[in-house]
Amino acid sequence: EAGVAQSPRYKIIEKRQSVAFWCNPISGHATLYWYQQILGQGPKLLIQFQNNGVVDDSQLPKDRFSAERLKGVDSTLKIQPAKLEDSAVYLCASSFKSGGEAFFGQGTRLTVV
Amino acid sequence: SQQGEEDPQALSIQEGENATMNCSYKTSINNLQWYRQNSGRGLVHLILIRSNEREKHSGRLRVTLDTSKKSSSLLITASRAADTASYFCATDVKNDMRFGAGTRLTVKP
Repeated sequence: EAGVAQSPRYKIIEKRQSVAFWCNPISGHATLYWYQQILGQGPKLLIQFQNNGVVDDSQLPKDRFSAERLKGVDSTLKIQPAKLEDSAVYLCASSFKSGGEAFFGQGTRLTVV
Repeated sequence: SQQGEEDPQALSIQEGENATMNCSYKTSINNLQWYRQNSGRGLVHLILIRSNEREKHSGRLRVTLDTSKKSSSLLITASRAADTASYFCATDVKNDMRFGAGTRLTVKP
């Protein structure tokens, strides 16, 4: 079974620029999560989708972050404009149902300079 | 906000010893999961324990859950150098999944 695919693996941008990350979850998984993991910390939930609807985006900085999951499959996470403190690894995960075992992608390491 | 807190933050043991990590959380949960993250790699699911379960085993892993104390523990028996990683607990409160800060385990050969 193919795993969760994320791209790009690495991205370096200047502050105030915009960036987008892409995630393709495991086929048939209704739940999709985006996490931000700052070095040395645990993953912080940014947004959770159930099919193409948002379940939880309470920790998403909505003034600069946006995410969508069109057709309930692929998802994109965008940051515009980026700040230095957005430097982190952005992890996408999917699960068959909410709260169940989640499968993670390799993540996108973002560096904002 | 983070839901779980792991303890200790870091743990260093010799190969063959047992490692115990603890997780405390704040609100009632549906289930609790443990994940492992090797350096530079993604998170891998280890075990899920439901709120009505008290203990669960998987190979060399043993997880306990005490809902009255809002805590869980992960025991790794007969540790190996390959067990060196960060271990995170993740709690499901409202069908979501929120992680703690993790325990960094180092197993010396």
